[in-house]
Amino acid sequence: GAVVSQHPSRVICKSGTSVKIECRSLDFQATTMFWYRQFPKKSLMLMATSNEGSKATYEQGVEKDKFLINHASLTLSTLTVTSAHPEDSSFYICSARHLGRAVDTQYFGPGTRLTVL
Amino acid sequence: AQSVTQLDSQVPVFEEAPVELRCNYSSSVSVYLFWYVQYPNQGLQLLLKYLSGSTLVKGINGFEAEFNKSQTSFHLRKPSVHISDTAEYFCAVLLKTSYDKVIFGPGTSLSVIP
Repeated sequence: GAVVSQHPSRVICKSGTSVKIECRSLDFQATTMFWYRQFPKKSLMLMATSNEGSKATYEQGVEKDKFLINHASLTLSTLTVTSAHPEDSSFYICSARHLGRAVDTQYFGPGTRLTVL
Repeated sequence: AQSVTQLDSQVPVFEEAPVELRCNYSSSVSVYLFWYVQYPNQGLQLLLKYLSGSTLVKGINGFEAEFNKSQTSFHLRKPSVHISDTAEYFCAVLLKTSYDKVIFGPGTSLSVIP
């Protein structure tokens, strides 16, 4: 089956530093990837939609300069949290839409736990 | 605007008992419907989905759900739960007109009691 990986699975960083999270579709091509944020005991909130070769579309309230998204290839999208602060601590999950399959086919990564000290 | 409601934030149930997790949605356009399960510190796993056709859909791990258009509901059921079913369950919709994003409900925490 289709697999989406995220790296790292867990990261701890100091306040003010930047952190990059990778999302890869391992055995399929994905023109569209999505980035979600999940707070403890809460649901997933869509942050942005990332299309290969073009600028990401951010949801209302999400800072573009804070959360930089790059989708350089059909198998890789990256989310960079710039100048991270403790309030950015969260669980970040990506998903990828399988190119060539029905539009409903999205596969989720295992998530990345970010802790900012 | 579209929204998904899961009325029960927590559902405790004894092992081998049946369970129903409720989901209602609001949308001005047709939607696809999904149920996902999330185990602690893990990503989401698709349990089942409704796209069209039969309103009763069967998924993995013995779960099933029934789409009711008139009540705009998509409740999840399992006739006999196991300890391993303890997890967070999310109902979600995908708009047929936009195909670009999945809207998640707030989630229901299912706790199976031995």
